[in-house]
Amino acid sequence: AQKVTQAQTEISVVEKEDVTLDCVYETRDTTYYLFWYKQPPSGELVFLIRRNSFDEQNEISGRYSWNFQKSTSSFNFTITASQVVDSAVYFCALSGNSGNTPLVFGKGTRLSVIA
Amino acid sequence: GAVVSQHPSWVICKSGTSVKIECRSLDFQATTMFWYRQFPKQSLMLMATSNEGSKATYEQGVEKDKFLINHASLTLSTLTVTSAHPEDSSFYICSAEGNRGPLHFGNGTRLTVT
Repeated sequence: AQKVTQAQTEISVVEKEDVTLDCVYETRDTTYYLFWYKQPPSGELVFLIRRNSFDEQNEISGRYSWNFQKSTSSFNFTITASQVVDSAVYFCALSGNSGNTPLVFGKGTRLSVIA
Repeated sequence: GAVVSQHPSWVICKSGTSVKIECRSLDFQATTMFWYRQFPKQSLMLMATSNEGSKATYEQGVEKDKFLINHASLTLSTLTVTSAHPEDSSFYICSAEGNRGPLHFGNGTRLTVT
């Protein structure tokens, strides 16, 4: 069975600090996809990234970066120089190797960035 | 990019009534859509998989007679919460995937049953 663990329930940082959100996953699939979504208080899910299991290159997008370590089954997310607008719940998710498979979500990490 | 529209964004209904939630893929065809439920301060849990032209597949513990899903076209899936009760109050969100690209989510529907 697939499983996603986000051990950090809540994190609070001061603006401009860097913060890393951890994500550990379990799957028996050899091909799979990993995702990060942001959920602001309004509720919608904002897509941040999708990474397939064969692409272990780290990715950077502005202040966001992701570290995919297949050896430790982790897909961590770092926000550099955090801002108040980054305050939200962040979900890591996993899907199977074929198209049209649903996502298995972690429990989410609530990030609060304090001015 | 691919957009999924969900309507209504929020609804308040009385206990015992039924509520219909629509999920539309606006610029792509989605043979499969997924319905998730999120209780306050919890994660999103898959309720069912909606397949165009066939019966939905429900996750364990989700009552198919209570949560009716219809996927009559390649761009529309509906979820009807029948005889709603206060414990059905939740955030319902759909997702769809086109031929390429990541899963896209609707903006969700916040259901409050009084």
